[in-house]
Amino acid sequence: QKEVEQNSGPLSVPEGAIASLNCTYSDRGSQSFFWYRQYSGKSPELIMSIYSNGDKEDGRFTAQLNKASQYVSLLIRDSQPSDSATYLCAVELGGTSYGKLTFGQGTILTVHP
Amino acid sequence: DVKVTQSSRYLVKRTGEKVFLECVQDMDHENMFWYRQDPGLGLRLIYFSYDVKMKEKGDIPEGYSVSREKKERFSLILESASTNQTSMYLCASRVTDYGYTFGSGTRLTVV
Repeated sequence: QKEVEQNSGPLSVPEGAIASLNCTYSDRGSQSFFWYRQYSGKSPELIMSIYSNGDKEDGRFTAQLNKASQYVSLLIRDSQPSDSATYLCAVELGGTSYGKLTFGQGTILTVHP
Repeated sequence: DVKVTQSSRYLVKRTGEKVFLECVQDMDHENMFWYRQDPGLGLRLIYFSYDVKMKEKGDIPEGYSVSREKKERFSLILESASTNQTSMYLCASRVTDYGYTFGSGTRLTVV
């Protein structure tokens, strides 16, 4: 089992719909969770961080964390073509030293007009 | 905002050359990281550093070394470049409780 797994995708949604991206992780002691967006040919950029169980909202983005079930998700409301990118889930696994993050493989999202 | 600067956006090197990739951050972060990213393989950690002159191997250190002589600068060295090291190289820095800040990446082609 991979330490951080994302729904494989690719995911295609119509403009205006909700895009749902999911991520599971292996270590129950994990504490910090991040979502990155990466446009083709560019480096990843941080869009959300979450540390506690529940929901965290930032504009059209909502991160959800459930530590008991070991999953973290990202919802994008009112999806726009500009949201088309690869989304990376990153986790600071329990017992990790020096701030190292472990990344999922990424989910490619396409928002079509 | 933290800025992480990678010295080159694109590089083309010949097989067997020694290659230096430079990364500089401007926020006094202790932790710095080098990844490579390949289609279908995701981000793979090569090396990281948690202080000046301190380094740890990541998941794929073979064929690479690193140098951190100053806190703001973390260099990745390809001792003898090979074609299988053609990749996108990403540097990142981090302070605890925040995510990584990535540099813009260096796309290296070894011919």
